[in-house]
Amino acid sequence: GESVGLHLPTLSVQEGDNSIINCAYSNSASDYFIWYKQESGKGPQFIIDIRSNMDKRQGQRVTVLLNKTVKHLSLQIAATQPGDSAVYFCAENSSASKIIFGSGTRLSIRP
Amino acid sequence: GAVVSQHPSWVICKSGTSVKIECRSLDFQATTMFWYRQFPKQSLMLMATSNEGSKATYEQGVEKDKFLINHASLTLSTLTVTSAHPEDSSFYICSAPRVYTDTQYFGPGTRLTVL
Repeated sequence: GESVGLHLPTLSVQEGDNSIINCAYSNSASDYFIWYKQESGKGPQFIIDIRSNMDKRQGQRVTVLLNKTVKHLSLQIAATQPGDSAVYFCAENSSASKIIFGSGTRLSIRP
Repeated sequence: GAVVSQHPSWVICKSGTSVKIECRSLDFQATTMFWYRQFPKQSLMLMATSNEGSKATYEQGVEKDKFLINHASLTLSTLTVTSAHPEDSSFYICSAPRVYTDTQYFGPGTRLTVL
């Protein structure tokens, strides 16, 4: 079945360092993945997406890597800033536009 | 850009009462909208798919008679939590994909507290 999960529930990084958040998925037929950022008390905010025909996609300070062989994707945030503190979810856009969320990683920034 | 709004942003009600939450797509049409529930420190769990002009489809384990969904227009879906109980207290979030695209927009969420 469809399921998306995360390796680590929390991640603490030094301000200015790079952050890497990992995610595993189980459905080998999955072809579209999305990373969301959720701040406390707010709805999820789109960060970046990637389709299965790509291995890497870059945005502003963010990069998503997809390894279909081991069914793993990661979100890299360069030069982490205090405003990056949030919970990050990987998600799979499944059939009929349903978005299935992983369990989430809380990113905290040390000054 | 496209925006999805929810109303109210928070609501407190007594046990046994019903609460209606609205989800609106503000500058695009959405034939489908999705409702999620999020408990504290947990992920978003998909509850149901709201379909304009037809019945909603519910995920396994979600009581359709308790969570009534109506999608009366291309820009509005409502979720009514009937006979609410404290265990229904949660953060309810809707999302709407723009028609003919993969882009999906999430609302800001509604915090429901049942006393």
